Amino acid sequence: GAGVSQSPSNKVTEKGKDVELRCDPISGHTALYWYRQSLGQGLEFLIYFQGNSAPDKSGLPSDRFSAERTGGSVSTLTIQRTQQEDSAVYLCASSLAGKEYFGPGTRLTVT
Amino acid sequence: QKEVEQDPGPLSVPEGAIVSLNCTYSNSAFQYFMWYRQYSRKGPELLMYTYSSGNKEDGRFTAQVDKSSKYISLFIRDSQPSDSATYLCAMSAGYSSASKIIFGSGTRLSIRP
Repeated sequence: GAGVSQSPSNKVTEKGKDVELRCDPISGHTALYWYRQSLGQGLEFLIYFQGNSAPDKSGLPSDRFSAERTGGSVSTLTIQRTQQEDSAVYLCASSLAGKEYFGPGTRLTVT
Repeated sequence: QKEVEQDPGPLSVPEGAIVSLNCTYSNSAFQYFMWYRQYSRKGPELLMYTYSSGNKEDGRFTAQVDKSSKYISLFIRDSQPSDSATYLCAMSAGYSSASKIIFGSGTRLSIRP
């Protein structure tokens, strides 16, 4: 079956522009996570969606970052007015029964 | 203090050696413990999944949980160059997706041929 997919796989944008990153979770998975990973670093938790509950946004680094999950499925992470320090790999994962499955990530480069 | 602590390494061992990777945690509610492997430029993949204390073996990999010490380990026997990756521990308090999964920062492992 299909795993978690993310698009685009790579994104290069100019400083100050807005970007949208998309995540398609595994069908039926009720939980969805976004993480950020800088080169050689660990996972930085950003946001967690679980069913119809209010999302856990405690990891979002600034108000330039937002995410939504429509219909309990696809999720979009939006970064407004991108900065160079936003350059990283953005990973999405979906979860069922306590096991998390990751997508391949979107590599964002802000020039 | 982070909920989950993991030595970032890097850890470098010769091929064939036994590797021990470890995490400690502070939340006694954690009951489900996982190890993920992440190759360079790839997303993490689930390697081992265990519940509560005890050992679980899968081929060359053994996951060990000691809840009394709040300490988990992953052992790799007969290590191979293909095992070179970053290993992340993760844990949660519940079985359902309603329990948030918390990750360690990862240990970078290199197996020398």
